[in-house]
Amino acid sequence: DSGVTQTPKHLITATGQRVTLRCSPRSGDLSVYWYQQSLDQGLQFLIQYYNGEERAKGNILERFSAQQFPDLHSELNLSSLELGDSALYFCASSVVGGLAGGPGNEQFFGPGTRLTVL
Amino acid sequence: AQKITQTQPGMFVQEKEAVTLDCTYDTSDPSYGLFWYKQPSSGEMIFLIYQGSYDQQNATEGRYSLNFQKARKSANLVISASQLGDSAMYFCAMRPPSGNTPLVFGKGTRLSVIA
Repeated sequence: DSGVTQTPKHLITATGQRVTLRCSPRSGDLSVYWYQQSLDQGLQFLIQYYNGEERAKGNILERFSAQQFPDLHSELNLSSLELGDSALYFCASSVVGGLAGGPGNEQFFGPGTRLTVL
Repeated sequence: AQKITQTQPGMFVQEKEAVTLDCTYDTSDPSYGLFWYKQPSSGEMIFLIYQGSYDQQNATEGRYSLNFQKARKSANLVISASQLGDSAMYFCAMRPPSGNTPLVFGKGTRLSVIA
């Protein structure tokens, strides 16, 4: 158990709908990362939040948005869903600071949310 | 930009034997971190081992060791005494210099351990 929790574990919905995925980081971790894992694209970074603020953006579609709340949990909102959005969505968290390349900055992943768009 | 290459889509190994999973990387930054993750069929991503670019010694964690060859830009994972439970996808990943930055992943290698 990594200490990162994600809900729900599975989500089945229809095209055009909107869903919200939730993540709670490990205790003490201020950084939250969202990744998408699909069969054709592999593991892709979507977006990162650090202590409530957006820190980095990856290959995130405009239909997708995220936020991190004062209690540090994060939500990923996916709207106008398409068949191609079906994937495993991971949240990861890491500790604050540390030297570049130093230990202690490992990212620990939650169990993922498997989204199926029909 | 950072890039990770895993050239072995699938590997087979006999139980109790050792296996090496290849990973090469590309970066122009002198400081970086390299990671290996395991993803069993259940889907979760499990952190295995970490190697810092300035670490003098190869990282080891139990049956996992990392064969780090900086000049060749390779960070191969060695699993000793393979077990049936080692069957999974294995991903090599890199983190750019700043500590709180996203990981860049390779496409993974599927390891199958045969009894």
